[in-house]
Amino acid sequence: GAGVSQSPRYKVAKRGQDVALRCDPISGHVSLFWYQQALGQGPEFLTYFQNEAQLDKSGLPSDRFFAERPEGSVSTLKIQRTQQEDSAVYLCASSLAGQGGPYNEQFFGPGTRLTVL
Amino acid sequence: AQSVTQPDIHITVSEGASLELRCNYSYGATPYLFWYVQSPGQGLQLLLKYFSGDTLVQGIKGFEAEFKRSQSSFNLRKPSVHWSDAAEYFCAVGAGGGNKLTFGTGTQLKVEL
Repeated sequence: GAGVSQSPRYKVAKRGQDVALRCDPISGHVSLFWYQQALGQGPEFLTYFQNEAQLDKSGLPSDRFFAERPEGSVSTLKIQRTQQEDSAVYLCASSLAGQGGPYNEQFFGPGTRLTVL
Repeated sequence: AQSVTQPDIHITVSEGASLELRCNYSYGATPYLFWYVQSPGQGLQLLLKYFSGDTLVQGIKGFEAEFKRSQSSFNLRKPSVHWSDAAEYFCAVGAGGGNKLTFGTGTQLKVEL
């Protein structure tokens, strides 16, 4: 079946522009995660949804970052007034169950590479 | 808060040689531990995971990892490396709601033919 898809794959923005990054999780997956991966670094957690509820947004770096998942499937990560330090790969992952635990494997999308000029 | 350390940024091995990638973690409770591989332009693929029981876990592509609580380590091994194994490898610990992952900084593996 289809995996996690993300669009666009590449995005170039001028500093100060707003951007929206889309994630289509695997159908039926309850949990959805966003991670930010800066160049040469490991992914860092941004936020987590269980269905449409955003249960953890502790990793969002500033109030310019906003994520939503209004119908419990597709999610959008929005960054307002982009800055150069926002340049990174944004990864989306989904998992079948709502609870944690080792059986709840996260499946990752290919990511969106954001470059802010 | 949990953390993961991968002390080797780059490793180069010859094809056919054995491989060990190091991972140390910090977490207060019994950790859920993962190894992921990332090829250029690709998403992260799960190689293996540990949650309890046998401390030696087998994964895909011939990889295995051993959990050592006393050393807070979860090192990844492969007896004979193939050129297609060249990629970046991430160790991660899962905790908290939904099992959010904390990753190490990764180890870039280069395979010499």
